[in-house]
Order: sequence, then C-alpha cells, then structure tokens
Amino acid sequence: HVQVLQSGPEVKKPGSSVKVSCKASGGTFNTYGFIWVRQAPGQRLEVMGGIVPMVDTKSYTQKFHGRVTITADESTTTVYLDLSGLTSDDTAVYHCAVGSIGGPLETWGQGTVVSVSS
Amino acid sequence: DVVMTQAPLTLAVTPGELASLSCRSSQSLLDSDGVSTYVDWYLQKPGQTPQLLIYKLSYRASGVPDRFSGSGSGSDFTLTINRVEAEDVGIYYCMQRIEFPFTFGQGTRLEI
Repeated sequence: HVQVLQSGPEVKKPGSSVKVSCKASGGTFNTYGFIWVRQAPGQRLEVMGGIVPMVDTKSYTQKFHGRVTITADESTTTVYLDLSGLTSDDTAVYHCAVGSIGGPLETWGQGTVVSVSS
Repeated sequence: DVVMTQAPLTLAVTPGELASLSCRSSQSLLDSDGVSTYVDWYLQKPGQTPQLLIYKLSYRASGVPDRFSGSGSGSDFTLTINRVEAEDVGIYYCMQRIEFPFTFGQGTRLEI
C-alpha cells in the first residue's frame, strides 16, 4: 500500500513561489496517479492539477493554469507542486493525494500549510 | 467544470440513528460504458486529512465499515450511514472524477 509524506510548512511573501514535495513509498510508483488538492480556509476542496508519472501526463485546472507546475522524479519517487505568483488567497493547506491510475484518491498526505503574508 | 452540490450542509444525529447525505452533480456521472458511475465519497475527520470511504458510487474502500453505503444514479447520489457512531463526526465530501478537473461538493458536516 502506497504512503505519501509531504514537505513541511512554508511561509512566503506575496509574489514569490513555493515548491511542495510529496514522497511516495510502498507500492510501485509508476502505477499511480497523483493529484494536488488545495483546501483554503472556509473553501471546499479544490483540485489544482495532477500527474501520471508513467506517461508523464500532466493536467491542470484552468484556474491555476500558468501558475502551477507539477513534476515527478521517478528516481526519488517524489512528486512536486510548484506554485508561483503567490497572493494571500493562496494561503491554504495543500494535499497530495494518490491512487491507482484511473482510480479514486486512496491515500492522502498529511497536508502542507502554506501561508502567504507580507 | 462539473458542479457538485451537497445537502444538508450540517446534519445533527444521535448515535445509533441513520444518516442520509445527498450529493447532486450538474451533469451525469455515468460513464459511456453505461456501467461505471464516477462519484466518490470522502470523510475528513477533525484535524485530519480526507480519507476515502466510497468509490465509483457504491464500492466501499478497504477497511471502511459496512455501516457506510453509497447509492444513486446519473446525477443524484446518497451516502447512507447506518447506526451512526461518535467516531463518524467530520465533514463528508462527494467528488466527481468523470472529467478533469475533478470537483468536490462543499461538504456536509456531521455532528453527533
């Protein structure tokens, strides 16, 4: 069974970028798809984008298109979320969720708190 | 994007009671194969990350008690919790994954 461990909390200035990592262990990395989900205060869960490392296919939600880059490093079984042009509206918990390709989000990381403040 | 709407937003129940949570989608979540319906249910307990309960309309995830069941069709879905227990408190979300971006409902908060 796959498990994922995310990087620690971040405090950023407006206009900067943040990179959050999600390291997978157990299971076979290339059989999974990874989704990044954002949970802002008082807001519903929101998918930002996803990646299928086996075919290096990436999909991004239109709302974040241009600001988000998702990458995967097979050698370290780690997936990354890169978010640029930060504003206070990006203050949220960022979740990495993983499942079999085409399947539900079976396993979630512990969440990474990103705070954006001047 | 597919819009998911849940009701009620808050549900208060007594332990041992039955709880029924509703979710509707702005379009059918039935796949073109006519068999699979791509709606999942997740529970976020207080202070925790979401966990998968039900996938593809009615399949229970590993380790989920059989008190939880999913039903519905097309664009109208229900999560039923038989004999609610205190540990079931939290926010329940439905999510569609028939098309990207996957989208969530606003959640139903279950209170005991």
